[in-house]
Amino acid sequence: DSGVTQTPKHLITATGQRVTLRCSPRSGDLSVYWYQQSLDQGLQFLIQYYNGEERAKGNILERFSAQQFPDLHSELNLSSLELGDSALYFCASSQSRDRPSSYNSPLHFGNGTRLTVT
Amino acid sequence: GQNIDQPTEMTATEGAIVQINCTYQTSGFNGLFWYQQHAGEAPTFLSYNVLDGLEEKGRFSSFLSRSKGYSYLLLKELQMKDSASYLCAALNDYKLSFGAGTTVTVRA
Repeated sequence: DSGVTQTPKHLITATGQRVTLRCSPRSGDLSVYWYQQSLDQGLQFLIQYYNGEERAKGNILERFSAQQFPDLHSELNLSSLELGDSALYFCASSQSRDRPSSYNSPLHFGNGTRLTVT
Repeated sequence: GQNIDQPTEMTATEGAIVQINCTYQTSGFNGLFWYQQHAGEAPTFLSYNVLDGLEEKGRFSSFLSRSKGYSYLLLKELQMKDSASYLCAALNDYKLSFGAGTTVTVRA
């Protein structure tokens, strides 16, 4: 158990809809990262938050947004959903502010939310 | 951007050794991670290299050559439970970018 909690585990919704994925980082971790994993692609970095502030942005679509709350949990909002958004969405956390690094501050991943858009 | 290449699939026999190669091209390189991911599960951290050379952790070892943009993960004394996808990830400033993963199948 990594200590990172993601809910829900599974989500099935229709095109055009909006969903919210939730993540609670490991106790003591201030950084939260969101990744998307499709069948035909590897883990794609979406966005990172540190202590409530956006720290880095990857290939995140404009239809997607995220935030990190004062209690450090994070939410990823996906709107105007398309069939191609179907994927596993992982949240990861680390202690480090600037970047995941070294043996004592790697990324720890949650079990993911499997999103199916029909 | 970053370009990370690793083989798609590898098959080996229980008890054998397998080496998974990874090449990367990135600016601002700050280290190379290896993760293991069983199907449908979360990736789990295996190793981290930032300096050239070999890091050994039990049955798993990881090697890095920064000048060549090359790393490998060595799995020794393979067990059936080692059947999984192995992800190479290069760290560039704030971003950890992953390769597509190498699916290793261990056969009895």
